[in-house]
Amino acid sequence: EIVLTQSPATLSLSPGERATLSCRASQSVSGYLAWYQQKPGQAPRLLIYDASNRATGIPARFSGSGSGTDFTLTISSLEPEDFAVYYCQQRSNWWTFGQGTKVEIK
Amino acid sequence: QVQLVESGGGVVQPGRSLRLSCAASGFTFSSYGMHWVRQAPGKGLEWVALIWYDGSNRYYADSVKGRFTISRDNSKNTLYLQMISLRAEDTAVYYCARERDYVQDYWGQGTLVTVSS
Repeated sequence: EIVLTQSPATLSLSPGERATLSCRASQSVSGYLAWYQQKPGQAPRLLIYDASNRATGIPARFSGSGSGTDFTLTISSLEPEDFAVYYCQQRSNWWTFGQGTKVEIK
Repeated sequence: QVQLVESGGGVVQPGRSLRLSCAASGFTFSSYGMHWVRQAPGKGLEWVALIWYDGSNRYYADSVKGRFTISRDNSKNTLYLQMISLRAEDTAVYYCARERDYVQDYWGQGTLVTVSS
């Protein structure tokens, strides 16, 4: 099983600041990595697929990068609605998720 | 717009069975693979099962293999998850999700399954 480790566990930032979230895989997943956003009481929402492709309707402030074992989700300027938990997911070998990074208001 | 609505969750005793349903609308259901993904209370996400668009292939996580069965009825635009021999560790919110390009691009709101005596 491919294990995904996300860091940090919690990110405390203010609206307008830049958020950088990391996801590291226990073995190469090539570019087969996605990012999801989840707000309390809601279903996950697909943001990024295949490392850097924005899903339909996702604002340009969200961007993804990386390949192999190291990936990054960047939110260029945090909006109030962006405070949530973010999960990475690999699809190279079935599907596994990271444990999540909570982006909270500082 | 794409809509996925799960139902069938509830409280069930260990060892008993439960069947979840997911009603799909807003897209051509018979053209898409479908997943079940679960989330234990306060925990992360765990992929459970996948069924191809035509039901010809099904895949399961090791944690549920032999106990859970994914199926679909394309004439009713409905996805199912039959769960038997339920355990406390199966307690979770169960989401159905549409597959596109090997990721889950739309998710339902989930249905809570609680396994407890």
